[in-house]
Amino acid sequence: NAGVTQTPKFQVLKTGQSMTLQCAQDMNHNSMYWYRQDPGMGLRLIYYSASEGTTDKGEVPNGYNVSRLNKREFSLRLESAAPSQTSVYFCASQWGNGGEQYFGPGTRLTVT
Amino acid sequence: KNQVEQSPQSLIILEGKNCTLQCNYTVSPFSNLRWYKQDTGRGPVSLTIMTFSENTKSNGRYTATLDADTKQSSLHITASQLSDSASYICVVSGESGGYNKLIFGAGTRLAVHP
Repeated sequence: NAGVTQTPKFQVLKTGQSMTLQCAQDMNHNSMYWYRQDPGMGLRLIYYSASEGTTDKGEVPNGYNVSRLNKREFSLRLESAAPSQTSVYFCASQWGNGGEQYFGPGTRLTVT
Repeated sequence: KNQVEQSPQSLIILEGKNCTLQCNYTVSPFSNLRWYKQDTGRGPVSLTIMTFSENTKSNGRYTATLDADTKQSSLHITASQLSDSASYICVVSGESGGYNKLIFGAGTRLAVHP
């Protein structure tokens, strides 16, 4: 039982490049989330998926797209990376609305 | 505006000592309050979740308190260990359009020295 896994762990991109961050959970959770964590700030929600087939914007969605591929997998795509997207990205999953959220180990992304 | 503020920003204590971390929030409506521990380079891990009606909740050497009237919470760590060195994040959950939205504090960075 791996919990929430994320790939890659580290990534360096040049401005304008694109990439997809992958997330998978093996806990049969309905809800999945993408957050970013910047120094001195709390985690901020980018997008979430309350159930398979649905996605919704969070607090800071601009510059990102998501895909809920199936119940297990939720990917985050940066179409044209910008230095402002340099951050640590966390994926999380949750059984229902209000339950405990389980976080992945994070992806550290640097955009030069 | 929904906000979660934590104090202090950072704290250094000696191994074996106790400490208390503070959290004030202005999230409304309120659903529950959570404390997470985040080790360096890792994702946050849940310590406690408290609802409106719960005043105190313990998880081993960690004890969280909640005063919903004053909108304050604290996390008390007893007999600290080196492994307690981490960031501790206060998170308040509130309903928003049917979705349980989490508002994260910036965290308190705790260093436990031998």
